[in-house]
Amino acid sequence: DAGVIQSPRHEVTEMGQEVTLRCKPISGHNSLFWYRQTMMRGLELLIYFNNNVPIDDSGMPEDRFSAKMPNASFSTLKIQPSEPRDSAVYFCASSLGVGSGANVLTFGAGSRLTVL
Amino acid sequence: AQSVTQLDSQVPVFEEAPVELRCNYSSSVSVYLFWYVQYPNQGLQLLLKYLSGSTLVESINGFEAEFNKSQTSFHLRKPSVHISDTAEYFCAVSQTGGFKTIFGAGTRLFVKA
Repeated sequence: DAGVIQSPRHEVTEMGQEVTLRCKPISGHNSLFWYRQTMMRGLELLIYFNNNVPIDDSGMPEDRFSAKMPNASFSTLKIQPSEPRDSAVYFCASSLGVGSGANVLTFGAGSRLTVL
Repeated sequence: AQSVTQLDSQVPVFEEAPVELRCNYSSSVSVYLFWYVQYPNQGLQLLLKYLSGSTLVESINGFEAEFNKSQTSFHLRKPSVHISDTAEYFCAVSQTGGFKTIFGAGTRLFVKA
């Protein structure tokens, strides 16, 4: 398996533009997580899905952020409109999910977002 | 709710010296515990995990961690570090039967020659 695949790896955009980050989880993993990493706040859990259903989006900072998982092999995180304070590295991770005793996360390489 | 505290933000150490990275957690329910490592410009990778059973767990590259329930700690140790161990290390906790994994703030290990 190629692991968790994220795109783009780097994105530079201007304030007010829409940003879409993409993630392909590991095949067979039932849970998908979006994290944001910044120097100031560390790793923050934004939202997670189980079997394509959003379970908890309490970490999503504002209504400008939205996430979808239309099928088991694809998820998006959208920011509209983007602001400079959204600059961060966004990680997608997947796991086998609850009940497996695993809860082990496999992370993608991250998408580094810079909003000017 | 769970929380994780990593007591040291940075740990400089000389090559071949021992190291301990400290982690304490808070939870009202039983948990799984993890250490992840992040090398520059990469995602996090699992280093080791405690799910149940023996409280001492080991990684393939010489790290070990011990689950101490009474002290709610899960410190990471290595008897002799290498330059290649330079990275950021994250302690994490997940409620058994739950989905969420919560991470500590990270400890940057810097190994000097």
